[in-house]
Amino acid sequence: GAVVSQHPSRVICKSGTSVKIECRSLDFQATTMFWYRQFPKQSLMLMATSNEGSKATYEQGVEKDKFLINHASLTLSTLTVTSAHPEDSSFYICSAPGQGGYEQYFGPGTRLTVT
Amino acid sequence: KQEVTQIPAALSVPEGENLVLNCSFTDSAIYNLQWFRQDPGKGLTSLLLIQSSQREQTSGRLNASLDKSSGRSTLYIAASQPGDSATYLCAVPASNTGKLIFGQGTTLQVKP
Repeated sequence: GAVVSQHPSRVICKSGTSVKIECRSLDFQATTMFWYRQFPKQSLMLMATSNEGSKATYEQGVEKDKFLINHASLTLSTLTVTSAHPEDSSFYICSAPGQGGYEQYFGPGTRLTVT
Repeated sequence: KQEVTQIPAALSVPEGENLVLNCSFTDSAIYNLQWFRQDPGKGLTSLLLIQSSQREQTSGRLNASLDKSSGRSTLYIAASQPGDSATYLCAVPASNTGKLIFGQGTTLQVKP
């Protein structure tokens, strides 16, 4: 199956700083990628759709100025959490559709802890 | 608005048992349904994808069924093993997009 990677796997940052998370499709191209957030013992909630070469589409209630998304190439999307606060601490996971666009392949996730 | 529900939230069984996990969705106009496995602190592993035109899919000891008209899917795990312990999530696309709407998950524990 298709492989999606994320970097870093874990990050700890101080409140007020910014953190960038990378999502890469390793053996396929993805014009669209998706970013999800998962709080402890909860399910995944979609944050935004990352579109290659154009602006991301954010879900209702997600601050686009706080969660900056860039999809500069067909294999890379980045999520930058700006001016992070402790409430932003969460597990961030990206996904990309495989060939045919039906099946979604997920990255291993990034654990963000804001102190 | 599509909503996905999974029952039970948690399940504990002895090794060797066959078990069924349930997933229901409110809008039957789905394109497909996907079952995932998530180990603690890890990402999601795709287990099975059922297209809307299909009734079931099988992979090894796993069998997933889909009944669109009733808005239900089940994941059957045969001869459960301790290594099957994980959280199982079902998800459906929001309209004809890649956005997935997830259920809350069922956390399975298989005791040796």
